[in-house]
Amino acid sequence: KQEVTQIPAALSVPEGENLVLNCSFTDSAIYNLQWFRQDPGKGLTSLLLIQSSQREQTSGRLNASLDKSSGRSTLYIAASQPGDSATYLCAVIRSGGSNYKLTFGKGTLLTVNP
Amino acid sequence: DAGITQSPRYKITETGRQVTLMCHQTWSHSYMFWYRQDLGHGLRLIYYSAAADITDKGEVPDGYVVSRSKTENFPLTLESATRSQTSVYFCASTNWGSGANVLTFGAGSRLTVL
Repeated sequence: KQEVTQIPAALSVPEGENLVLNCSFTDSAIYNLQWFRQDPGKGLTSLLLIQSSQREQTSGRLNASLDKSSGRSTLYIAASQPGDSATYLCAVIRSGGSNYKLTFGKGTLLTVNP
Repeated sequence: DAGITQSPRYKITETGRQVTLMCHQTWSHSYMFWYRQDLGHGLRLIYYSAAADITDKGEVPDGYVVSRSKTENFPLTLESATRSQTSVYFCASTNWGSGANVLTFGAGSRLTVL
């Protein structure tokens, strides 16, 4: 059974700091991995998708990496801003032929202080 | 409008009543999901569907019924609502196995059962 762990559960940083959020998973036979953010009372917004064959993806100040051999993905946020405050979730998708199974981590609550 | 839409966004009902939450996507995605999100439990999968007329139970299916007669619609029915079903419900869709792999969520439906 795939287990997905996100550490830390909560993180508070001053504005401007670069930070790393971690996502670890137990089964390396993944199809892809997706990072989401969720603002309080809102839905999940997709940030980055990393296919199994890829090592990283970048979008603006965000960079996500994937290391299947170590069962780890990191989300790097550069020059953090108060608007980055949200819960960040990683989702790991495993495939077995035409069957797909999605497992979410419990998220990291990020607070960026002005 | 293109995308994934949920309705109603807010619903208050009474114990024992039947409630249907609607989910509609315009991409012809094969896979659709229903999650509930509660404090302390994170996202929990209720039901999912790999294609029209194919549905399967997730982690917490009891008390819920789904159908998928058309690819674009995936309604979730609470046949006899209970207070424990007070939650925020999210629908999501994707096309795993094709080029469009991003999992996209709807805005959510907040259900209160009195």
